[in-house]
Amino acid sequence: DSGVTQTPKHLITATGQRVTLRCSPRSGDLSVYWYQQSLDQGLQFLIHYYNGEERAKGNILERFSAQQFPDLHSELNLSSLELGDSALYFCASSGTGETRGPQHFGDGTRLSIL
Amino acid sequence: GDSVTQMEGPVTLSEEAFLTINCTYTATGYPSLFWYVQYPGEGLQLLLKATKADDKGSNKGFEATYRKETTSFHLEKGSVQVSDSAVYFCALSSPTGGGNKLTFGTGTQLKVEL
Repeated sequence: DSGVTQTPKHLITATGQRVTLRCSPRSGDLSVYWYQQSLDQGLQFLIHYYNGEERAKGNILERFSAQQFPDLHSELNLSSLELGDSALYFCASSGTGETRGPQHFGDGTRLSIL
Repeated sequence: GDSVTQMEGPVTLSEEAFLTINCTYTATGYPSLFWYVQYPGEGLQLLLKATKADDKGSNKGFEATYRKETTSFHLEKGSVQVSDSAVYFCALSSPTGGGNKLTFGTGTQLKVEL
């Protein structure tokens, strides 16, 4: 158990809809990261938050947004969903902020767009 | 930009065989290097890490040495077990903007048979 909790485990929805994925980091970790895992793109970095502030953006679509709340949990919002958004979305956390320490991953949310 | 290249899988071995999974990287500066393992239906688990040249990471019988001169971080295990069957990801950690991210290889599936 990594200590990172993601909910829900599975989401099935339709094109054009909006969903929210939730992540609770390990106790004491200030950094939260979001990644997308798909068969064609592999594991892709989406965004990094540190103590409520956005610190880095990767290949995140404009239809996607994230935030980190004062209690340090994070949410990833995906809107106007397309078939290609079907993927496994991982959250990770670390306690080392801007340094290069290891990230600890949750079990992911599997998103299926019908 | 940063990139990680892993050997193609699947790799199929008999129990107690020697394992090598090759990983090379391209990065500016001095990244930290990691191996993560993903069992079916689960998230990524940190297997081992190395933060500077010539460091050797080790865990559960797996080892990898950070080779700056060859930009490599090959994963090895002397005697694999059926329970080692999983997908293995090589990754590097690098600063990006004001934050941090992991760049992953495509993953190598390992199948260990009796």
